[in-house]
Amino acid sequence: QKEVEQNSGPLSVPEGAIASLNCTYSDRVSQSFFWYRQYSGKSPELIMSIYSNGDKEDGRFTAQLNKASQYVSLLIRDSQPSDSATYLCAVNKGGADGLTFGKGTHLIIQP
Amino acid sequence: DAGVTQSPTHLIKTRGQQVTLRCSPKSGHDTVSWYQQALGQGPQFIFQYYEEEERQRGNFPDRFSGHQFPNYSSELNVNALLLGDSALYLCASSRPTRGYRTQYFGPGTRLLVL
Repeated sequence: QKEVEQNSGPLSVPEGAIASLNCTYSDRVSQSFFWYRQYSGKSPELIMSIYSNGDKEDGRFTAQLNKASQYVSLLIRDSQPSDSATYLCAVNKGGADGLTFGKGTHLIIQP
Repeated sequence: DAGVTQSPTHLIKTRGQQVTLRCSPKSGHDTVSWYQQALGQGPQFIFQYYEEEERQRGNFPDRFSGHQFPNYSSELNVNALLLGDSALYLCASSRPTRGYRTQYFGPGTRLLVL
Protein backbone atom coordinates (compact mmCIF):
# COMPACT_ATOMS: atom_id res chain seq x y z
CA GLN A 1 0.00 0.00 0.00
CA LYS A 2 1.33 3.40 -0.98
CA GLU A 3 1.79 5.87 1.87
CA VAL A 4 -0.33 8.60 0.28
CA GLU A 5 -2.81 7.73 -2.44
CA GLN A 6 -4.70 9.98 -4.81
CA ASN A 7 -6.72 9.30 -7.91
CA SER A 8 -4.48 10.57 -10.73
CA GLY A 9 -7.46 11.64 -12.86
CA PRO A 10 -7.96 13.56 -14.97
CA LEU A 11 -10.94 14.85 -13.04
CA SER A 12 -13.11 17.02 -15.29
CA VAL A 13 -15.51 19.51 -13.64
CA PRO A 14 -17.71 22.16 -15.31
CA GLU A 15 -16.97 25.78 -14.54
CA GLY A 16 -18.91 26.99 -11.49
CA ALA A 17 -19.34 23.49 -10.03
CA ILE A 18 -17.70 22.00 -6.93
CA ALA A 19 -14.51 20.02 -7.47
CA SER A 20 -13.86 17.30 -4.90
CA LEU A 21 -10.35 15.89 -4.50
CA ASN A 22 -9.59 12.96 -2.24
CA CYS A 23 -6.52 11.53 -0.55
CA THR A 24 -5.89 8.59 1.78
CA TYR A 25 -2.80 7.95 3.87
CA SER A 26 -1.45 4.85 5.55
CA ASP A 27 0.58 6.09 8.54
CA ARG A 28 -1.66 6.66 11.55
CA VAL A 29 0.94 8.84 13.28
CA SER A 30 0.62 11.50 10.56
CA GLN A 31 -0.09 14.85 12.16
CA SER A 32 -0.05 17.51 9.46
CA PHE A 33 -1.83 17.51 6.12
CA PHE A 34 -1.39 19.81 3.17
CA TRP A 35 -2.81 20.48 -0.26
CA TYR A 36 -0.54 21.99 -2.88
CA ARG A 37 -1.49 23.16 -6.35
CA GLN A 38 1.03 22.69 -9.16
CA TYR A 39 0.64 24.21 -12.59
CA SER A 40 2.43 22.48 -15.44
CA GLY A 41 6.14 23.31 -15.38
CA LYS A 42 5.88 25.19 -12.08
CA SER A 43 6.60 24.36 -8.45
CA PRO A 44 3.99 23.38 -5.82
CA GLU A 45 2.06 26.23 -4.23
CA LEU A 46 0.46 25.80 -0.81
CA ILE A 47 -3.34 25.93 -0.90
CA MET A 48 -4.41 24.62 2.50
CA SER A 49 -3.03 23.07 5.66
CA ILE A 50 -5.09 21.15 8.22
CA TYR A 51 -4.07 19.56 11.49
CA SER A 52 -7.23 18.51 13.34
CA ASN A 53 -10.34 16.57 12.45
CA GLY A 54 -13.11 18.48 10.75
CA ASP A 55 -13.37 21.18 8.12
CA LYS A 56 -11.20 24.19 7.45
CA GLU A 57 -12.39 26.85 5.03
CA ASP A 58 -10.37 29.50 3.20
CA GLY A 59 -12.21 31.38 0.50
CA ARG A 60 -13.41 28.94 -2.17
CA PHE A 61 -11.37 26.11 -0.65
CA THR A 62 -12.40 23.71 2.12
CA ALA A 63 -10.12 21.02 3.50
CA GLN A 64 -11.65 18.10 5.38
CA LEU A 65 -9.75 15.72 7.65
CA ASN A 66 -10.90 12.43 9.15
CA LYS A 67 -8.04 10.81 11.07
CA ALA A 68 -10.08 7.74 12.04
CA SER A 69 -10.61 6.95 8.35
CA GLN A 70 -7.16 8.27 7.38
CA TYR A 71 -8.75 10.47 4.77
CA VAL A 72 -8.27 14.08 3.73
CA SER A 73 -10.13 15.94 1.01
CA LEU A 74 -10.18 19.30 -0.73
CA LEU A 75 -13.33 20.96 -2.04
CA ILE A 76 -13.12 23.81 -4.51
CA ARG A 77 -16.35 25.78 -4.83
CA ASP A 78 -17.31 27.85 -7.88
CA SER A 79 -14.53 26.21 -9.90
CA GLN A 80 -12.74 28.48 -12.37
CA PRO A 81 -10.66 27.56 -15.44
CA SER A 82 -7.65 28.95 -13.55
CA ASP A 83 -8.13 26.13 -11.02
CA SER A 84 -7.05 23.64 -13.69
CA ALA A 85 -3.83 22.15 -12.32
CA THR A 86 -2.43 19.11 -10.51
CA TYR A 87 -3.35 18.99 -6.83
CA LEU A 88 -0.87 17.30 -4.54
CA CYS A 89 -1.79 15.87 -1.15
CA ALA A 90 1.07 15.79 1.37
CA VAL A 91 1.37 14.50 4.93
CA ASN A 92 4.01 14.47 7.61
CA LYS A 93 4.42 12.93 11.04
CA GLY A 94 5.68 16.01 12.75
CA GLY A 95 7.68 19.19 12.37
CA ALA A 96 11.00 17.43 11.87
CA ASP A 97 9.78 15.22 9.09
CA GLY A 98 9.82 15.63 5.38
CA LEU A 99 6.56 15.62 3.49
CA THR A 100 5.26 12.47 1.85
CA PHE A 101 3.35 13.29 -1.31
CA GLY A 102 0.77 11.51 -3.38
CA LYS A 103 1.18 11.44 -7.16
CA GLY A 104 -1.37 14.20 -7.53
CA THR A 105 -4.78 14.56 -9.16
CA HIS A 106 -4.98 16.35 -12.49
CA LEU A 107 -8.02 18.65 -12.36
CA ILE A 108 -9.56 20.14 -15.51
CA ILE A 109 -12.21 22.85 -15.23
CA GLN A 110 -14.25 22.97 -18.41
CA PRO A 111 -15.50 26.45 -19.44
CA ASP B 1 9.06 39.62 1.61
CA ALA B 2 11.18 37.48 -0.70
CA GLY B 3 10.07 33.91 -1.12
CA VAL B 4 12.25 30.84 -1.49
CA THR B 5 14.80 31.29 -4.26
CA GLN B 6 16.76 28.62 -6.13
CA SER B 7 19.59 28.67 -8.62
CA PRO B 8 20.16 27.84 -11.35
CA THR B 9 16.74 27.48 -13.00
CA HIS B 10 17.93 24.95 -15.56
CA LEU B 11 21.00 22.77 -15.85
CA ILE B 12 22.28 20.24 -18.36
CA LYS B 13 24.95 17.74 -17.29
CA THR B 14 26.35 14.48 -18.60
CA ARG B 15 26.48 11.13 -16.85
CA GLY B 16 29.18 10.87 -14.22
CA GLN B 17 29.43 14.58 -13.62
CA GLN B 18 28.71 16.36 -10.35
CA VAL B 19 26.18 19.15 -9.76
CA THR B 20 25.50 21.71 -7.02
CA LEU B 21 22.10 23.34 -6.59
CA ARG B 22 21.48 26.30 -4.31
CA CYS B 23 18.56 27.50 -2.21
CA SER B 24 17.82 30.56 -0.09
CA PRO B 25 14.89 30.20 2.32
CA LYS B 26 12.11 32.67 3.01
CA SER B 27 12.97 35.41 5.47
CA GLY B 28 12.60 34.09 9.03
CA HIS B 29 12.72 30.43 8.03
CA ASP B 30 15.38 28.22 9.59
CA THR B 31 14.79 24.83 7.98
CA VAL B 32 15.41 23.74 4.42
CA SER B 33 14.15 20.54 2.81
CA TRP B 34 15.05 19.19 -0.62
CA TYR B 35 12.79 17.15 -2.91
CA GLN B 36 13.16 15.43 -6.27
CA GLN B 37 10.19 15.41 -8.61
CA ALA B 38 10.26 13.16 -11.64
CA LEU B 39 7.85 13.82 -14.48
CA GLY B 40 4.30 12.78 -13.60
CA GLN B 41 5.17 11.98 -9.98
CA GLY B 42 4.80 13.72 -6.65
CA PRO B 43 7.91 15.20 -5.03
CA GLN B 44 10.13 12.71 -3.17
CA PHE B 45 11.83 13.84 0.05
CA ILE B 46 15.64 13.82 -0.15
CA PHE B 47 16.70 15.38 3.16
CA GLN B 48 16.11 18.22 5.59
CA TYR B 49 18.62 20.62 7.15
CA TYR B 50 18.23 22.46 10.42
CA GLU B 51 20.92 24.26 12.45
CA GLU B 52 23.45 23.34 9.75
CA GLU B 53 22.91 19.61 10.23
CA GLU B 54 21.05 16.96 8.26
CA ARG B 55 18.06 16.21 10.48
CA GLN B 56 16.27 13.63 8.38
CA ARG B 57 16.92 11.78 5.16
CA GLY B 58 14.66 10.06 2.67
CA ASN B 59 15.45 6.98 0.63
CA PHE B 60 18.23 8.44 -1.52
CA PRO B 61 21.79 7.14 -1.96
CA ASP B 62 24.74 8.95 -0.46
CA ARG B 63 25.55 10.37 -3.90
CA PHE B 64 23.11 12.99 -2.72
CA SER B 65 24.60 15.25 -0.08
CA GLY B 66 23.88 18.68 1.25
CA HIS B 67 24.93 21.54 3.39
CA GLN B 68 23.30 24.36 5.30
CA PHE B 69 25.12 27.62 5.96
CA PRO B 70 24.86 29.92 8.99
CA ASN B 71 22.51 32.22 7.04
CA TYR B 72 20.17 29.18 6.59
CA SER B 73 20.79 28.90 2.84
CA SER B 74 21.49 25.42 1.55
CA GLU B 75 23.16 23.44 -1.19
CA LEU B 76 22.30 20.08 -2.70
CA ASN B 77 25.18 18.16 -4.27
CA VAL B 78 24.74 15.14 -6.51
CA ASN B 79 27.81 13.12 -7.51
CA ALA B 80 28.24 10.58 -10.31
CA LEU B 81 25.10 11.69 -12.10
CA LEU B 82 22.87 9.05 -13.64
CA LEU B 83 20.30 9.48 -16.40
CA GLY B 84 17.63 8.78 -13.77
CA ASP B 85 18.67 11.86 -11.81
CA SER B 86 16.96 14.00 -14.44
CA ALA B 87 14.15 15.73 -12.56
CA LEU B 88 12.88 18.94 -11.03
CA TYR B 89 14.72 19.59 -7.77
CA LEU B 90 12.68 21.54 -5.27
CA CYS B 91 13.77 23.34 -2.16
CA ALA B 92 11.25 24.13 0.57
CA SER B 93 11.73 26.24 3.68
CA SER B 94 9.80 26.33 6.94
CA ARG B 95 9.79 27.57 10.51
CA PRO B 96 7.90 26.34 13.56
CA THR B 97 4.50 27.97 14.08
CA ARG B 98 2.49 26.77 17.09
CA GLY B 99 4.31 23.45 16.91
CA TYR B 100 3.75 22.88 13.22
CA ARG B 101 5.86 23.53 10.17
CA THR B 102 4.43 24.53 6.82
CA GLN B 103 6.80 24.13 3.89
CA TYR B 104 6.93 26.69 1.10
CA PHE B 105 8.56 25.73 -2.17
CA GLY B 106 10.95 27.59 -4.40
CA PRO B 107 10.63 27.64 -8.20
CA GLY B 108 12.86 24.59 -8.59
CA THR B 109 15.90 23.67 -10.64
CA ARG B 110 15.27 21.51 -13.68
CA LEU B 111 18.20 19.12 -14.18
CA LEU B 112 18.71 17.17 -17.38
CA VAL B 113 21.36 14.45 -17.42
CA LEU B 114 22.48 13.31 -20.88
